[in-house]
Amino acid sequence: NAGVMQNPRHLVRRRGQEARLRCSPMKGHSHVYWYRQLPEEGLKFMVYLQKENIIDESGMPKERFSAEFPKEGPSILRIQQVVRGDSAAYFCASSPSGQSYGYTFGSGTRLTVV
Amino acid sequence: SQQGEEDPQALSIQEGENATMNCSYKTSINNLQWYRQNSGRGLVHLILIRSNEREKHSGRLRVTLDTSKKSSSLLITASRAADTASYFCATESNTGKLIFGQGTTLQVKP
Repeated sequence: NAGVMQNPRHLVRRRGQEARLRCSPMKGHSHVYWYRQLPEEGLKFMVYLQKENIIDESGMPKERFSAEFPKEGPSILRIQQVVRGDSAAYFCASSPSGQSYGYTFGSGTRLTVV
Repeated sequence: SQQGEEDPQALSIQEGENATMNCSYKTSINNLQWYRQNSGRGLVHLILIRSNEREKHSGRLRVTLDTSKKSSSLLITASRAADTASYFCATESNTGKLIFGQGTTLQVKP
């Protein structure tokens, strides 16, 4: 079991470009959560998805951010027209159901906007 | 908004000593979880304690939960240099969303 896979590990984008972050959950897991971590801070919830459904997007900024988890393939967190404030580490976690026995996190994608 | 408040923010101890970190939260919870994060890495799940439990052990880890005070503590006994990391508590809502504290940075000196 390869665990939760995130790619790329590091992503550099110029202001105004688009960033696409990918998360492949653990095998058999159909629930994915995205979190953002600013330097020296804890993680902040962004969005919770099941296959083809957004369950809770209360932590997503209203503009420029979107997420999907298609029937086939990884979950994608998309940030359009990136700004310097988007620079952060983005982590995803997966679980087999909505109930938790402790989540497995990926190693994260570190986005740097220059 | 962040639910958890952790203290201390930073803790430095000698190898072999015990380390205690505290976490407070604001709303009702299903469970409370502790995670470790090594510098520049992802989070590793350490232990989960449910709202109807008061204490839980896992190896050198001991977690307590006081729902009346909305607080939890993580005790690491006989610390090792390899325990150097940031430790986060997280409360889980009904939807499975985790709300993290700001974390405690632990340094264990050899």
